[in-house]
Amino acid sequence: DAGVTQSPTHLIKTRGQHVTLRCSPISGHKSVSWYQQVLGQGPQFIFQYYEKEERGRGNFPDRFSARQFPNYSSELNVNALLLGDSALYLCASSGGTGNYNEQFFGPGTRLTVL
Amino acid sequence: EDQVTQSPEALRLQEGESSSLNCSYTVSGLRGLFWYRQDPGKGPEFLFTLYSAGEEKEKERLKATLTKKESFLHITAPKPEDSATYLCAVQAAGGSARQLTFGSGTQLTVLP
Repeated sequence: DAGVTQSPTHLIKTRGQHVTLRCSPISGHKSVSWYQQVLGQGPQFIFQYYEKEERGRGNFPDRFSARQFPNYSSELNVNALLLGDSALYLCASSGGTGNYNEQFFGPGTRLTVL
Repeated sequence: EDQVTQSPEALRLQEGESSSLNCSYTVSGLRGLFWYRQDPGKGPEFLFTLYSAGEEKEKERLKATLTKKESFLHITAPKPEDSATYLCAVQAAGGSARQLTFGSGTQLTVLP
């Protein structure tokens, strides 16, 4: 079975630009969460979606937004990029066999803002 | 506010030298505590979920335990391939979101 997939793998942007990151959850999983991981730190929660509805939002500015599609895939959008947005962006899926507690992560998208 | 503190920040072991990693947490009602392994440049790999004090889980050379204030990840006779960063996370009970609050991790290096 395929795991969580994310695209692109790497991305380089300049300050002020916007970016869209994509995630496909494990087949059968209905919930997707997004995390930001800065080098040397643990992942920090950004959003969680379940059945296309936002279920939770972390302490991130409104420049960050997300959505979930009918096929349960998800997009994370970041506007007006800042240097501090450079990080590994992780997507996690959950909900297999009704267990929404355990989250399985994808390989991440490495975003570099110049 | 939920908090997770992991210690030590870094640990170097000789192959076969057993040790433990610590995860201390404060949370307003624990739904679950999770251990992940993360290799450089990759996403975290799920290892264990612990739900209540006294619970233990094992997988190969790894054993995770849970008390009301902390969790330990015991590594028995480690091998170089166990080298990675080990992350601990908590999930609070209540609410509709199942967000994870992570610690900063313990970077483990196992020398041959």
